[in-house]
Amino acid sequence: EAGVTQSPTHLIKTRGQQATLRCSPISGHTSVYWYQQALGLGLQFLLWYDEGEERNRGNFPPRFSGRQFPNYSSELNVNALELEDSALYLCASSLYLAGQETQYFGPGTRLLVL
Amino acid sequence: AQSVTQLDSQVPVFEEAPVELRCNYSSSVSVYLFWYVQYPNQGLQLLLKYLSGSTLVKGINGFEAEFNKSQTSFHLRKPSVHISDTAEYFCAVSDPFSGGYNKLIFGAGTRLAVHP
Repeated sequence: EAGVTQSPTHLIKTRGQQATLRCSPISGHTSVYWYQQALGLGLQFLLWYDEGEERNRGNFPPRFSGRQFPNYSSELNVNALELEDSALYLCASSLYLAGQETQYFGPGTRLLVL
Repeated sequence: AQSVTQLDSQVPVFEEAPVELRCNYSSSVSVYLFWYVQYPNQGLQLLLKYLSGSTLVKGINGFEAEFNKSQTSFHLRKPSVHISDTAEYFCAVSDPFSGGYNKLIFGAGTRLAVHP
């Protein structure tokens, strides 16, 4: 069974540009989570999508946004890029079943803002 | 709010020696606990999880962890490490009763360095 996939693996942008990151969940999973792993800041929760709806977001500005498509894949958009947005962005998918849930992670997209 | 403390930022150990990576979380009525491993330039791989039941949880690659509710700890152990275990290890907690959202709260990570 294929795991969570993310594209692109690397992305280089300049300040002020927009970045789009993509995530395909494990087949059958309906939830997608996005996390940011920035140097010195650890892993921080960004966004949670389930059944096409944004369910929760972390403590990030509105220029971080995204969506989930009918096939449960997801897109993360970062507008007006700043240098501190440089990080590894990890996507995870899960299926909430019988009151339990486990998140499985993709390989990540490394974003570099110059 | 939930928080996770990984007590050691780095743990050096010789090959074939035992290792324990420590994790404490802030108290809650009920939590789910996870250990993930991140190899260089890769994403996170699930090592093991505690959702309910037996407090001793066995995972992949010979790792195990023990859930201790009274001490709010979830330490990771391996009786004999290999060079290939060199990686960053993250402890994470989610609170299934936290108002309908299940984000993972991660510790800062412990870098395990196995030396020959």
